[in-house]
Amino acid sequence: SQQGEEDPQALSIQEGENATMNCSYKTSINNLQWYRQNSGRGLVHLILIRSNEREKHSGRLRVTLDTSKKSSSLLITASRAADTASYFCATDERGSTLGRLYFGRGTQLTVWP
Amino acid sequence: NAGVTQTPKFRVLKTGQSMTLLCAQDMNHEYMYWYRQDPGMGLRLIHYSVGEGTTAKGEVPDGYNVSRLKKQNFLLGLESAAPSQTSVYFCASSYSRGSSYEQYFGPGTRLTVT
Repeated sequence: SQQGEEDPQALSIQEGENATMNCSYKTSINNLQWYRQNSGRGLVHLILIRSNEREKHSGRLRVTLDTSKKSSSLLITASRAADTASYFCATDERGSTLGRLYFGRGTQLTVWP
Repeated sequence: NAGVTQTPKFRVLKTGQSMTLLCAQDMNHEYMYWYRQDPGMGLRLIHYSVGEGTTAKGEVPDGYNVSRLKKQNFLLGLESAAPSQTSVYFCASSYSRGSSYEQYFGPGTRLTVT
């Protein structure tokens, strides 16, 4: 299965600290995406990184991609209580045009005030 | 724009009953998807559609049927509900152009089968 795996499963930090989540996947990809899910809500797209990119920034988010290790990391800097959510990585399949994404099981991030 | 909407938000069924979940999007997206989310399992793809009148099986299609008669709507049917289908169901849609396939999700339907 292409399904990604996030690590750790749960992360608990204080406001102001940085949070780092990792994702590993199994097969070649076009892109890797990160999504956030607040409790009881649908997923919201955060950031996409293409297979030919190594790092990408969006506000307080920094994503890295290492295709040789088939892994990615999501860094949230200066975290806030509002960042409390589950974070999922999602990968596609290289060459596929079907738009299918394979989601991991997520990292539950809790940010304490 | 409402984005992706799902109807109903909650439902309780008895084993053997049938129901249809409706997903609607107003973004003119070609691709639409149905997922189920269970604790500790992440999102698993049930069925998807790459255009009006087309559907395809995902990872866990058994016990479900789908239809895409109109571009903006994607229906998920349970013909004979089972307790194993207790889950939260999410619909999503995406553009078909380019290769990013960023997905836009609905708010979910929480289904309990007793």
